[in-house]
Amino acid sequence: GAVVSQHPSWVICKSGTSVKIECRSLDFQATTMFWYRQFPKQSLMLMATSNEGSKATYEQGVEKDKFLINHASLTLSTLTVTSAHPEDSSFYICSARDALGLALVEQYFGPGTRLTVT
Amino acid sequence: DAKTTQPPSMDCAEGRAANLPCNHSTISGNEYVYWYRQIHSQGPQYIIHGLKNNETNEMASLIITEDRKSSTLILPHATLRDTAVYYCIGHSGGSNYKLTFGKGTLLTVNP
Repeated sequence: GAVVSQHPSWVICKSGTSVKIECRSLDFQATTMFWYRQFPKQSLMLMATSNEGSKATYEQGVEKDKFLINHASLTLSTLTVTSAHPEDSSFYICSARDALGLALVEQYFGPGTRLTVT
Repeated sequence: DAKTTQPPSMDCAEGRAANLPCNHSTISGNEYVYWYRQIHSQGPQYIIHGLKNNETNEMASLIITEDRKSSTLILPHATLRDTAVYYCIGHSGGSNYKLTFGKGTLLTVNP
């Protein structure tokens, strides 16, 4: 199946700093990428949808100025957590949809990035 | 999206078949049933999907009832590596579709 990578796989940062997480589709082009967040023992929560070359669409309750998303190419989307605080500590997962595939095809998920804010 | 209901947890012995149920009584005619799983601290993994007919691939089988109100994911010979949270999702796809996850079923495969 298609491969989606994330970098870094884990990161520890100090409160008040910003952290950038990269999501790449390695063997396909993705017009649409999704960012999810998952707290311990909870399900994935969709944060935002990003389409290549346009602004991201954020889910209700997600601060767009805090979670900056850039989808500058068909293979790369980035999530920047600005002015991170301990409550932003979570597992962040990206997902990509194949631009050339059927609309019903499965989404491909990255391995996730564990963010810990101290 | 169709509302789906799954048991919160299940246990299965290694080597035996794991049968994971999902209720989706409000599913509409154009909505597929998708199954994903998430192994601890990893991203979700697609397993299988179907509309009306039963489906089988190298990972699992999907049995959908004739009235489409429920389905069962079958892992024919569960291994310890199949321990994961399994999500049943009903949706009709489309270019603007956003995949959302419920609570799923935690399947624990025991030695």
